[in-house]
Amino acid sequence: NAGVTQTPKFQVLKTGQSMTLQCAQDMNHEYMSWYRQDPGMGLRLIHYSVGAGITDQGEVPNGYNVSRSTTEDFPLRLLSAAPSQTSVYFCASTRLTGGLEAFFGQGTRLTVV
Amino acid sequence: GDSVTQMEGPVTLSEEAFLTINCTYTATGYPSLFWYVQYPGEGLQLLLKATKADDKGSNKGFEATYRKETTSFHLEKGSVQVSDSAVYFCALPGAGSYQLTFGKGTKLSVIP
Repeated sequence: NAGVTQTPKFQVLKTGQSMTLQCAQDMNHEYMSWYRQDPGMGLRLIHYSVGAGITDQGEVPNGYNVSRSTTEDFPLRLLSAAPSQTSVYFCASTRLTGGLEAFFGQGTRLTVV
Repeated sequence: GDSVTQMEGPVTLSEEAFLTINCTYTATGYPSLFWYVQYPGEGLQLLLKATKADDKGSNKGFEATYRKETTSFHLEKGSVQVSDSAVYFCALPGAGSYQLTFGKGTKLSVIP
């Protein structure tokens, strides 16, 4: 049982480049979300989705796009990378019964130079 | 809005010492409460949870009791090990939503 799979694990981008962080889950969870983790800031919600075809913004959405064409996949797109987007990104999938337990991927460490 | 405040770190303890990491929350109603742990280089994983007031969550020797009177969910362990070195996050879902709100995390280092 793979759970939540994120790719890539590490990425270096130049300012202005675009890229997509992949996230896939095999638990048939409706709710998925993207967070970024920065030192001293904890985890901040970027975007989330309550089901296929439905997405919404979180706390820090600027510079990021998402889509949810299937239940399994929830990619995060950086449109034009900036050094301020250097961070560790986590995708999470949440079971909506039994108390909203979230399952996290291993993370993507992104550096924008 | 709903929020979580947890003690600032880092915390350094000797092996077999007693651990407490404080967490207090502000919430509408009585949401589920969670502790997540992040080991070095890994994603977050659920450590324990409590779904209603006065519940005690426990796992791997860690415990936390949901106390509505003091709006607290402090994490405790009687005897820490080097392998417990990690960052610990307290969390709760926002009112009427599925999003988790996290505390800023407390880094624990256990030395032999």
